[in-house]
Amino acid sequence: SQQGEEDPQALSIQEGENATMNCSYKTSINNLQWYRQNSGRGLVHLILIRSNEREKHSGRLRVTLDTSKKSSSLLITASRAADTASYFCATDAIGTASKLTFGTGTRLQVTL
Amino acid sequence: EAQVTQNPRYLITVTGKKLTVTCSQNMNHEYMSWYRQDPGLGLRQIYYSMNVEVTDKGDVPEGYKVSRKEKRNFPLILESPSPNQTSLYFCASSPTGLAGGVGELFFGEGSRLTVL
Repeated sequence: SQQGEEDPQALSIQEGENATMNCSYKTSINNLQWYRQNSGRGLVHLILIRSNEREKHSGRLRVTLDTSKKSSSLLITASRAADTASYFCATDAIGTASKLTFGTGTRLQVTL
Repeated sequence: EAQVTQNPRYLITVTGKKLTVTCSQNMNHEYMSWYRQDPGLGLRQIYYSMNVEVTDKGDVPEGYKVSRKEKRNFPLILESPSPNQTSLYFCASSPTGLAGGVGELFFGEGSRLTVL
């Protein structure tokens, strides 16, 4: 079963604009992570936010977590063509013995 | 170089012919996992292992077997492959798999399997 669901499924923006992707999940979690995937390649870890954290930054990335709404958002500021990829959230639900579940992803297209 | 290595990267096989996809990591990670990725379905976990000789089912374990006899290796075995197992497979490892949750996953480059 899918724990995390990303929204939107696809997003197209121009270079320099900000991109926001959302993730909703169903049950209480230990951590939430965001990953990036370039066209059929292996996923690359972007950022991990723990359930007791509300916001985290890494370079041009900003992640927020709202455990009351069971949702997270990933903001990419000043996007570049090289940011074109699929982005996935992954959750580690409490009581699932370290089983990490991924959502279906948001496909981001950044055009020049 | 720290990495997760999968082999083969590409494979075309026929229904019923047993195959093994190997996965090896050189980072001394306790946690390892297999995922399959299908269009519109995202990544779905097949099996995972929190340490040597400890394996657990993920969301879609049917038709697959795994073993964890050594810390660095976590092979995925398809005893009798069927066309619905045609997919892109990823192995991943992580340094944590404890009460605090799963840490950052390091992924292999993927193995694209076609079962005819």
